[in-house]
Amino acid sequence: DAGVIQSPRHEVTEMGQEVTLRCKPISGHNSLFWYRQTMMRGLELLIYFNNNVPIDDSGMPEDRFSAKMPNASFSTLKIQPSEPRDSAVYFCASSEPGQNTGELFFGEGSRLTVL
Amino acid sequence: AQSVAQPEDQVNVAEGNPLTVKCTYSVSGNPYLFWYVQYPNRGLQFLLKYITGDNLVKGSYGFEAEFNKSQTSFHLKKPSALVSDSALYFCAGPNNAGNMLTFGGGTRLMVKP
Repeated sequence: DAGVIQSPRHEVTEMGQEVTLRCKPISGHNSLFWYRQTMMRGLELLIYFNNNVPIDDSGMPEDRFSAKMPNASFSTLKIQPSEPRDSAVYFCASSEPGQNTGELFFGEGSRLTVL
Repeated sequence: AQSVAQPEDQVNVAEGNPLTVKCTYSVSGNPYLFWYVQYPNRGLQFLLKYITGDNLVKGSYGFEAEFNKSQTSFHLKKPSALVSDSALYFCAGPNNAGNMLTFGGGTRLMVKP
């Protein structure tokens, strides 16, 4: 298996622009997580899905952030409009059925820079 | 509130010396605990986990961790550090609701030649 695949790996955009980050979880995994990592705040859970359904989005910073999982093999995290403080590395992770508190498999991350 | 805490932002150790990266937990009952490692510009990678059983857990790259219930700790250890072990290490455990994994703040390990 190729592991969790994220795209783009790097994104540089200007304030106010829409940003869409993409994630393909490992086949057969039914839980998907979006994390944000910054120097100041460390690793933060933004939202997680179970069987394509959002279970907990309490970590989503504000209404500018939205996440979708239209099917078991694809998820997006969208920021609209983007702001410089959104600059961070965004990670997607997935886990096997019944293992949302078990081992997580992380993608390589999407490094976002908002100018 | 986080269920795990890493009291050290950074640990420095000389190559060949033993290393310890500390983690304490506050989950009641029998916790399940994890260690993950993050190399520069990479995602987190699973190192090892404790569920039940032997308090000494062995993991990848020669790392091990000891679950200590009386001290509510799960410190990561390695008998002889390598320069290539330099990375960011995260301890993880269940959140208070027990429905997802929560991570500590991370400890940067610097192994100097």
